[in-house]
Amino acid sequence: ETGVTQTPRHLVMGMTNKKSLKCEQHLGHNAMYWYKQSAKKPLELMFVYNFKEQTENNSVPSRFSPECPNSSHLFLHLHTLQPEDSALYLCASSQVRGGDTEAFFGQGTRLTVV
Amino acid sequence: AQSVTQLGSHVSVSEGALVLLRCNYSSSVPPYLFWYVQYPNQGLQLLLKYTTGATLVKGINGFEAEFKKSETSFHLTKPSAHMSDAAEYFCAVSSPYNQGGKLIFGQGTELSVKP
Repeated sequence: ETGVTQTPRHLVMGMTNKKSLKCEQHLGHNAMYWYKQSAKKPLELMFVYNFKEQTENNSVPSRFSPECPNSSHLFLHLHTLQPEDSALYLCASSQVRGGDTEAFFGQGTRLTVV
Repeated sequence: AQSVTQLGSHVSVSEGALVLLRCNYSSSVPPYLFWYVQYPNQGLQLLLKYTTGATLVKGINGFEAEFKKSETSFHLTKPSAHMSDAAEYFCAVSSPYNQGGKLIFGQGTELSVKP
């Protein structure tokens, strides 16, 4: 596989469920990101991981718990979500360099909380 | 602080017509500017980017954008629209003081192309 791969592509979960989103990058990058894309809103950066270490958490509620076991894999663990958390969750990767470096995005996981 | 404003959440053009998608930015430091495209049920794909140097930037699929510092703009154009250009387009900003991947996005513009 190439690029950035996200699984599952679609997820429906109840508010009391626990589920996880998975992201894998095959680009040799050392930084990974979670973005949230809600309808009619700009993409929001949620978390940043550099060399497996979390370097940024943009005031994300604790019901979202990221995990980065190595530079190629990123997870987003979900528990007790709210309906307003329904969105497209996008994973991205890049090199840890200046802001001119391109970010590569996965296809996203469409999450619906019922 | 940085921000991006995309004028028009929806733009509709006829096939063969000029495509113009507007993006204005605000940045207290020299900006790096990006245009990404998102096709239905897909992730984001980079169309083009401006970092330094030539202010007219050419990208994939015949798109180009011009960085105009005096107008704080980075509008995206394509001379002749094709049906396959129908998608959502996002303008984003970063800076030399950010790392790649940490982007501030506009709210997106959905492009429709009529036959």
